[in-house]
Amino acid sequence: DTGVSQNPRHKITKRGQNVTFRCDPISEHNRLYWYRQTLGQGPEFLTYFQNEAQLEKSRLLSDRFSAERPKGSFSTLEIQRTEQGDSAMYLCASSLSGDNSPLHFGNGTRLTVT
Amino acid sequence: GEDVEQSLFLSVREGDSSVINCTYTDSSSTYLYWYKQEPGAGLQLLTYIFSNMDMKQDQRLTVLLNKKDKHLSLRIADTQTGDSAIYFCAESKRAQKLVFGQGTRLTINP
Repeated sequence: DTGVSQNPRHKITKRGQNVTFRCDPISEHNRLYWYRQTLGQGPEFLTYFQNEAQLEKSRLLSDRFSAERPKGSFSTLEIQRTEQGDSAMYLCASSLSGDNSPLHFGNGTRLTVT
Repeated sequence: GEDVEQSLFLSVREGDSSVINCTYTDSSSTYLYWYKQEPGAGLQLLTYIFSNMDMKQDQRLTVLLNKKDKHLSLRIADTQTGDSAIYFCAESKRAQKLVFGQGTRLTINP
């Protein structure tokens, strides 16, 4: 079990640039989630996939954010025209489907927008 | 509404028990979780409890659930320096979407 892997671990970008993060879930997990965590807060749900289908998006996910999971395995989260308020830790999690399957989180990508 | 609340800080002496408390508002939550986060890292799943249970024990960890009062607690026996971290309580929604509290920072004093 290699766990959930996220790349890069850290990203520093200038305001207005686009950034893309990658998440590789645990291989047999068909659900994949993105969360955002700002300093001093708990993680907040952004979106989730069941296989390749994006089934729910939070209202926190503005039009500048897009997530994909093209083959139902890894996922990417892109932020266009970054703003300073996008600075946060972006966490990916995966699970089996079924209410009794807990989420397993990766170590996150820390984004700093200058 | 969706609201999970935790006290922000807890300080205990090494070797004592730590008790971290959490309240939630949604009585339809099916599972309740405890995660641990060390500095700069992601969330590590510690334990979880189904909403029709009132207690679960796993080595040094004991989870108590009072569904009537919507109160969840995590007890860590014989607290060690390696237990220093932020502990998050979370309730699950449909499709395992988790709602987290703000986290409790546990500090261990020698």
